[in-house]
Amino acid sequence: DAKTTQPNSMESNEEEPVHLPCNHSTISGTDYIHWYRQLPSQGPEYVIHGLTSNVNNRMASLAIAEDRKSSTLILHRATLRDAAVYYCILRDVGNNNDMRFGAGTRLTVKP
Amino acid sequence: GAGVSQSPSNKVTEKGKDVELRCDPISGHTALYWYRQSLGQGLEFLIYFQGNSAPDKSGLPSDRFSAERTGGSVSTLTIQRTQQEDSAVYLCASSSRAGGPADTQYFGPGTRLTVL
Repeated sequence: DAKTTQPNSMESNEEEPVHLPCNHSTISGTDYIHWYRQLPSQGPEYVIHGLTSNVNNRMASLAIAEDRKSSTLILHRATLRDAAVYYCILRDVGNNNDMRFGAGTRLTVKP
Repeated sequence: GAGVSQSPSNKVTEKGKDVELRCDPISGHTALYWYRQSLGQGLEFLIYFQGNSAPDKSGLPSDRFSAERTGGSVSTLTIQRTQQEDSAVYLCASSSRAGGPADTQYFGPGTRLTVL
């Protein structure tokens, strides 16, 4: 399975944008890029996903590099509630039964 | 509407005992997943159910672990002869699509299992 690499931790100030990077240099042409986050003492929750084009939803934006070897999750205005572990995950058509979560990036938001 | 629910929220047991963990998926969701998360770690896939198909058990760590899904809805994860290394948070997720790489999974709050 294609592997993702994320920084262990990041810090942000409240109401500032946050860019969370993910490297996936071995991504295949059929891999979708998913982002989930896990707030303290909760199960993970879906944030966004994409294949090739940049994506926007009410929670965040996903910027995908042209070669697809990296992507960036963008939180436009961080709030204290956005403090969580953010996971970048690849899913492909041949292995769609599970999601391989790595260690993720722990985001701290300072007031 | 109601999300994925799991029970119990916490379970403390003695080494060697059997435990059953329950998951109620979102109504109408055909796919159901079990994961476990050890302290400070990412999620580890355990098993996947899709409709009436045979489950994908490829993630179960040993034959002490089993799971069933009755009537295509509620699922029970059973751990026999529990060991201390089984201590973790067990998470259940469901999705409405028939699997697939664009599938979105909805997670329950988890069951925290502690084996003494």
